[in-house]
Amino acid sequence: DGGITQSPKYLFRKEGQNVTLSCEQNLNHDAMYWYRQDPGQGLRLIYYSQIVNDFQKGDIAEGYSVSREKKESFPLTVTSAQKNPTAFYLCASTRTKHTEAFFGQGTRLTVV
Amino acid sequence: AQSVTQLGSHVSVSEGALVLLRCNYSSSVPPYLFWYVQYPNQGLQLLLKYTSAATLVKGINGFEAEFKKSETSFHLTKPSAHMSDAAEYFCAVSEASGYSTLTFGKGTMLLVSP
Repeated sequence: DGGITQSPKYLFRKEGQNVTLSCEQNLNHDAMYWYRQDPGQGLRLIYYSQIVNDFQKGDIAEGYSVSREKKESFPLTVTSAQKNPTAFYLCASTRTKHTEAFFGQGTRLTVV
Repeated sequence: AQSVTQLGSHVSVSEGALVLLRCNYSSSVPPYLFWYVQYPNQGLQLLLKYTSAATLVKGINGFEAEFKKSETSFHLTKPSAHMSDAAEYFCAVSEASGYSTLTFGKGTMLLVSP
């Protein structure tokens, strides 16, 4: 079945460490997105990519980095510069602009 | 700039009662509008979408929403709530020109009591 796979589902990180969240899709979608979800805050856009080797900052990109070397993959690195990284992270993709987004199951990151 | 306001962070209904979740949007150009549902510790699932065709949109699980341009609203309704409808619901907007990403509201938690 086509879909978006995020891994791992739960992730624990020590302060000062970088960590990478994986997102893979087999929907042949052009655009991919990373959102951060905090209780009562809705979803906030971190980064997005419309084509391979190109990506744009979203509303809260500070402390995060991404790459898009393959159409299917859009990993997110949470760096030590991110001051409050504990959150639920969601990856999504869209076939073209303005079509509905398909979401992965999320990764819950906890800093310990 | 586009934005979404969902009125009420929590809505409580009894099983069998009408569900009404409110969404108002702001957009400088004609919008595309979406409703998503999220169950605990899961991703978002599309309920329905408005893309400038019929103003009354029917979705999955008996939900529907009506686009009202004059009120800049896209409220979600279901005639009879079921226990399985208890979840968080998000309204989202995308502007229909250029390339714009989805902007989400802060969500409404629907609580259903027996």
